[in-house]
Amino acid sequence: GQQLNQSPQSMFIQEGEDVSMNCTSSSIFNTWLWYKQDPGEGPVLLIALYKAGELTSNGRLTAQFGITRKDSFLNISASIPSDVGIYFCAGQSKGGSEKLVFGKGTKLTVNP
Amino acid sequence: DSGVTQTPKHLITATGQRVTLRCSPRSGDLSVYWYQQSLDQGLQFLIQYYNGEERAKGNILERFSAQQFPDLHSELNLSSLELGDSALYFCASSVVDSGNTEAFFGQGTRLTVV
Repeated sequence: GQQLNQSPQSMFIQEGEDVSMNCTSSSIFNTWLWYKQDPGEGPVLLIALYKAGELTSNGRLTAQFGITRKDSFLNISASIPSDVGIYFCAGQSKGGSEKLVFGKGTKLTVNP
Repeated sequence: DSGVTQTPKHLITATGQRVTLRCSPRSGDLSVYWYQQSLDQGLQFLIQYYNGEERAKGNILERFSAQQFPDLHSELNLSSLELGDSALYFCASSVVDSGNTEAFFGQGTRLTVV
C-alpha cells in the first residue's frame, strides 16, 4: 500500500532556530496536507497544497508541493516554544478514493 | 474548534466488550474518515464514508465496523475488544469538493481496554 516516509522522526532545537521537515512517497499524490498535533488533541490542519511546485505560507510556516508530486516539505522559521508538538504530513493520491495517507510524524521540541 | 464533534471523549471498558464511538462532521461535510492512533504512533487509516456509502477501507480489523447515517453522522463499532485496541480514535471530515480534501479532525476518543 501507499506509504509516506517522514523525516526526521524528532528534532530538538533552540528557540529562534528555523526547522525543516519533509515527506517522500513512492507514489504520486495530488494533494499534500500538513498537520500539527498537540498531546491528547486532534491534528490541526496547517497548510494544504494542491499543485505541483506550489509554495504556500501560513505565518511562519512555509510548505511546498514537490515538482515530482512525490514529496513535500514544511519549514518553520524563528521557532517559538508553542511550536512544540508532532507534525504530520498527509497525502491524497489520484483516483476515486480520497483516502488520506499519513506520515509517522516529526516530534518537535523547542528549548527556550 | 474544528467543528467535528466526537463522543465520548474517554472510554474505559473490559476485554471482550463492544463499544460505539460517535462522530458528527462539520456542517456541510459529506465525507467522514476514521483513524486509529496508538501510543506514540502515527495515524492509521481505518475507513472512509462519503454521503452514506463506504468509500475507502484501510487496515480495519474484522471486529471493527462503521457506518454513516442519513444525517451524515458516523459511528465506529469496536467489538470483542482486546488490550491492543487501546488507542486514540479520531474522526475527520471533509467536503471532498473538486478534489480538495482538507480534512478536519475531532478531539478524539481515548479508548482504554482493561
